[in-house]
Amino acid sequence: QKEVEQNSGPLSVPEGAIASLNCTYSDRGSQSFFWYRQYSGKSPELIMFIYSNGDKEDGRFTAQLNKASQYVSLLIRDSQPSDSATYLCAVRRDTGFQKLVFGTGTRLLVSP
Amino acid sequence: DAGITQSPRYKITETGRQVTLMCHQTWSHSYMFWYRQDLGHGLRLIYYSAAADITDKGEVPDGYVVSRSKTENFPLTLESATRSQTSVYFCASGEGDRGLNSRAKNIQYFGAGTRLSVL
Repeated sequence: QKEVEQNSGPLSVPEGAIASLNCTYSDRGSQSFFWYRQYSGKSPELIMFIYSNGDKEDGRFTAQLNKASQYVSLLIRDSQPSDSATYLCAVRRDTGFQKLVFGTGTRLLVSP
Repeated sequence: DAGITQSPRYKITETGRQVTLMCHQTWSHSYMFWYRQDLGHGLRLIYYSAAADITDKGEVPDGYVVSRSKTENFPLTLESATRSQTSVYFCASGEGDRGLNSRAKNIQYFGAGTRLSVL
C-alpha cells in the first residue's frame, strides 16, 4: 500500500461544476496535508494546506480533512478550463524534518 | 531574481558522465530538497538539507551526491549517469519549523525543474 494514494484520473468535469479530488494516506501519525497544482511541463505550486479536521476554504478551493478516516479532499467550485492540471496531494508526518510524501496526482480536465 | 532557480533547465548527457544540477534560492530558507518526478511514481525525495553542511538521504538517494556549503545553494550531482536517471528534477525550499505558527512554515516552494535525458 502506498503511503499517499490518489486516483490518477483523468477526472472530467464541465465548466462551472464542482470538482472533487480525493487523497488517502496510510500513516495515522500524519499531521499536515498539502494540495499542489501542477500544470503540464511546470513545477508544483501550493494551493492549500490543512492541519485540523474539518474544512478550510480559500476562494473557490476547499480542503477537507478527516483524520479518523485518513483522507483529505480538495473541492474546486465553479471549475474553469484554467483549472485543468494535475493535483498532487502531499502529507507530512510530524516526526523530525519536514519531509513530504507525495501522491502520484490526479489529472483534472475541465471542459468549456 | 528572488525565489528559487534551477539550472540548466534542460540537459542531455551520456551514460557514465558526471552531471551537476544547480539550485539557488534567495529566501534564506533553511531547508532545501531535491525530488525526481517520473510517470507512475510521482515526486520522490532524493536528498534534503536542514541547513548548511547538514544533508540527509531521502527515498531514492543511490547514484546521487549533494552538498550544501552555503545556505542558498544545493547542487545535485549524478556521479556516473545511468539511463534510469532520466527524469525531471525539482529543487524545493522551505523555512521549516520556526516561530509560533510553525505549521505554516512547512510549505515547500519548487523551482522550475530540470529535464535530464541520459542517452
